[in-house]
Amino acid sequence: DAGVIQSPRHEVTEMGQEVTLRCKPISGHNSLFWYRQTMMRGLELLIYFNNNVPIDDSGMPEDRFSAKMPNASFSTLKIQPSEPRDSAVYFCASSARGQGADTEAFFGQGTRLTVV
Amino acid sequence: GQSLEQPSEVTAVEGAIVQINCTYQTSGFYGLSWYQQHDGGAPTFLSYNALDGLEETGRFSSFLSRSDSYGYLLLQELQMKDSASYFCASRTYTGGFKTIFGAGTRLFVKA
Repeated sequence: DAGVIQSPRHEVTEMGQEVTLRCKPISGHNSLFWYRQTMMRGLELLIYFNNNVPIDDSGMPEDRFSAKMPNASFSTLKIQPSEPRDSAVYFCASSARGQGADTEAFFGQGTRLTVV
Repeated sequence: GQSLEQPSEVTAVEGAIVQINCTYQTSGFYGLSWYQQHDGGAPTFLSYNALDGLEETGRFSSFLSRSDSYGYLLLQELQMKDSASYFCASRTYTGGFKTIFGAGTRLFVKA
């Protein structure tokens, strides 16, 4: 398996534009997480899905952020309109349901978003 | 609420042993994980403790005490490549399993 795949790796956009980040989780994993990482706030959990259903979106900063998981192999995180303070590295991670060794979360390489 | 506390920075010399502590306050707690992240990279899984005690994986060991809401990561025979950020993370269940990360500990290994 190629691991968690995120695209794009880098995104530079102007304030006010819509940004869509994409994620393909590892096949067979039924939990998917979107995290945001900044120097100031560290790794923040934005939203997570279990079996394609959003379970907890309390970490989503505001209504400008939305996430979807239309099927088990694809998820998007959308920011509309984007603002400079949204600049961060956005990670997608997936894991298999369980309480033993398969609790590991596998991270994608991240999307570095810069809003100017 | 959910919170994990760990030191912001630790410095040690090559070949030494270093311990990174983590205290947590989380609801629906299932276990404690540790992740390593090099600059510019993604977090990668190191270990997971669901039960009290010590788990050993090569040079790295992790410990959990559920009664004390405390855990630590022990790194032995430090190498320069171990310079990275280390995150403790709580595995919790609130309708589904999720992982909440601490702020991370930056480890500097000196020659």
